[in-house]
Amino acid sequence: DAGITQSPRYKITETGRQVTLMCHQTWSHSYMFWYRQDLGHGLRLIYYSAAADITDKGEVPDGYVVSRSKTENFPLTLESATRSQTSVYFCASSEVQGYGYTFGSGTRLTVV
Amino acid sequence: DQQVKQNSPSLSVQEGRISILNCDYTNSMFDYFLWYKKYPAEGPTFLISISSIKDKNEDGRFTVFLNKSAKHLSLHIVPSQPGDSAVYFCAASARGGSNYKLTFGKGTLLTVNP
Repeated sequence: DAGITQSPRYKITETGRQVTLMCHQTWSHSYMFWYRQDLGHGLRLIYYSAAADITDKGEVPDGYVVSRSKTENFPLTLESATRSQTSVYFCASSEVQGYGYTFGSGTRLTVV
Repeated sequence: DQQVKQNSPSLSVQEGRISILNCDYTNSMFDYFLWYKKYPAEGPTFLISISSIKDKNEDGRFTVFLNKSAKHLSLHIVPSQPGDSAVYFCAASARGGSNYKLTFGKGTLLTVNP
C-alpha cells in the first residue's frame, strides 16, 4: 500500500531497554521527520533527514538515535528508554523542502 | 523559546457558527504557514496553507488569514460542523537555505456542539 506506515502502533517497554520505532514511506520522499506529541507541548521535532545518510537534530534529540541508510526508511531508536519518553511518536515525510508533510498514524510508546 | 504560539488550548462553538482559531509567530524568517487537523489515535492531516506573499487563502469552508505585520494568522471555519471537532495545529517554515522543517504550535482543541 502506498503511504507512510509506522510500526508498531503500540509498545510497552521497561526502563533501560532499547526500543526501535519503524517508519516506512513508499513515495521516495527526500525529507523525513520524527515528532513526539505530549500534552501541553504539542508536536516537538526529535530528528529530521534531508536524504539517505543525512540527518540532523531537532528540538528534543537527547536519548534518541536515528539512521537513514535507505530513502524509504527512517527508524528511531531509544537507546535506553526512560519514563519521560512515554509519548506518541509521529513520523512524517515531505517531497518538497519546507512544504507540508504527510504523517503516519503514530506509535504510542509507554515506558514502565 | 516558542516560535509558533497557539494561546487558546481549547475552543467550543455551536454547530453552524464560525470557528476562529488563532496563531502567532515570532520568527520573521517564516514564509509559509500551514494548518493541520488531528483526530484522536490518528496522525495529523494537512488542512490548508498560505504563503507569505498572500494575506488570504480559501478552501471551501476553511479560510486562512495572514497578517504579516502582526505576525498573526487565523483559521476560520464557516459553518462549523460536529465533524470538525479535533485538535488543530498551526505550523510554519522558512523555506530558504537548509531549513526544511516545520515548527508547530501546541494545538487548539476545537469542539463543535450539535
